[in-house]
Amino acid sequence: EVQLVETGGGLIQPGGSLRLSCAASGFTVSSNYMSWVRQAPGKGLEWVSVIYSGGSTYYADSVKGRFTISRDNSKNTLYLQMNSLRAEDTAVYYCARDEWGGRSWYFDLWGRGTLVTVSS
Amino acid sequence: SYVLTQPPSVSVAPGKTARITCGGNNIGSKSVHWYQQKPGQAPVLVVYDDSDRPSGIPERFSGSNSGNTATLTISRVEAGDEADYYCQVWDSSSDHPWVFGGGTKLTVL
Repeated sequence: EVQLVETGGGLIQPGGSLRLSCAASGFTVSSNYMSWVRQAPGKGLEWVSVIYSGGSTYYADSVKGRFTISRDNSKNTLYLQMNSLRAEDTAVYYCARDEWGGRSWYFDLWGRGTLVTVSS
Repeated sequence: SYVLTQPPSVSVAPGKTARITCGGNNIGSKSVHWYQQKPGQAPVLVVYDDSDRPSGIPERFSGSNSGNTATLTISRVEAGDEADYYCQVWDSSSDHPWVFGGGTKLTVL
C-alpha cells in the first residue's frame, strides 16, 4: 500500500528541538519531490519545506535557518529537524508527496500528520 | 509572493450546486489544485491542473480557471461533502512556490 506515516511530534519547550520522521511505503522517497506542510490549530495549510529528488532543499521564510529537511534512502524515510522552536511553530505537521501535473506541482499523497506543541 | 484569496465560508442545501472560488492575480495562467479536508483528517486532492480528477474522486467535483478566478464546483452536494477546501498553486517565479489559499468551510444545510 502506498502511504506516508509521520512520527516524532509532541510537547516541547520554546527554544527546544524536535525531529519529525515520515516513513514511506509503496514508493521510493528519493525518486520524488517530498514536502512538509503544517497547519496551526484552527488555521489553514502552510508549506514548510521541500527536498527535490536531486537533493536540493528549500524552506519557507518562517522556518529558514531553524528547520532542516533530509531523507534516509536506506530507510525510505523523510525527516524534518526543527531547532529553536517557537510557540508559533505549534501545528500538525504533514509530509506529502509532490507530483508534477505537466504544468505545476501539487500534493497527491499525504500522511495523517503529527502534532507539535511548543509551550512552556 | 503570490496570494490566493478564498471566501471563509460557503453554504449550500443538499442536492444543490456549491461553487468555491479562489482569486489570484492572473490565476488563469497558472494550474490550480484543490484539496478537501474533513475535521481531524489529512487533506485529500480532489482536483488537479484546474479540472482533472484523481482516481476515486466523484465526477460531482469539477474545476475551472480563467482570468483572476478559479472555481471548484461540487454538484449534487451531499452531507459528506461538508469540509474545508483549499486551493493551491505553484508559483515558479518564487523561492517558495507552493502557495495555499486560506481555505473555505463548506456547510451543507
